[in-house]
Amino acid sequence: GAVVSQHPSRVICKSGTSVKIECRSLDFQATTMFWYRQFPKQSLMLMATSNEGSKATYEQGVEKDKFLINHASLTLSTLTVTSAHPEDSSFYICSAGAEGTANEKLFFGSGTQLSVL
Amino acid sequence: DAKTTQPTSMDCAEGRAANLPCNHSTISGNEYVYWYRQIHSQGPQYIIHGLKNNETNEMASLIITEDRKSSTLILPHATLRDTAVYYCIVRVIIGNKLTFGGGTRVLVKP
Repeated sequence: GAVVSQHPSRVICKSGTSVKIECRSLDFQATTMFWYRQFPKQSLMLMATSNEGSKATYEQGVEKDKFLINHASLTLSTLTVTSAHPEDSSFYICSAGAEGTANEKLFFGSGTQLSVL
Repeated sequence: DAKTTQPTSMDCAEGRAANLPCNHSTISGNEYVYWYRQIHSQGPQYIIHGLKNNETNEMASLIITEDRKSSTLILPHATLRDTAVYYCIVRVIIGNKLTFGGGTRVLVKP
């Protein structure tokens, strides 16, 4: 299947700093990417939909100024957690749909474990 | 709002078939049934999807009832590496997001 690369896999940062997470589709073009957050022993919660060349669409309750999303190309989307706080500690996962398949299958990155001290 | 209902957990024996049920009684005519699984601390992995007909691939089989209100994912010969949380999701294709419910935590035992 198609490959979605997510980096870094794990990051530890101090409270108040910003953290950028990258999501790349390695062998296909993705016009749409999705960002999820997952707390321990819970299911994935969709945060936002990232559209290439346009503003991201955020789910209700997700602060767009805190979670900045940029989808500048068909193979790269980034999520920046600004002024991170301990409550932002979570597992962040991106997914992407393959262009030309009507997003028939969404492929997921391996996730980023964020720990804010 | 959850559109699917799955058992919270289930155990199965290594080498035996694992049958994972899912109820989706409010499914719409243009919604597909998707199955993903998530092994601990990894991103979800696509397993299979279908609309009306039963589907089979190298990983699993998907059986959808005639009224499409429920389905069963079958892992024909479960291995220890199949231990994971399995998510049943209904989704309209064409750029739509995947909304995850609670899933079924499957433990394959030797």
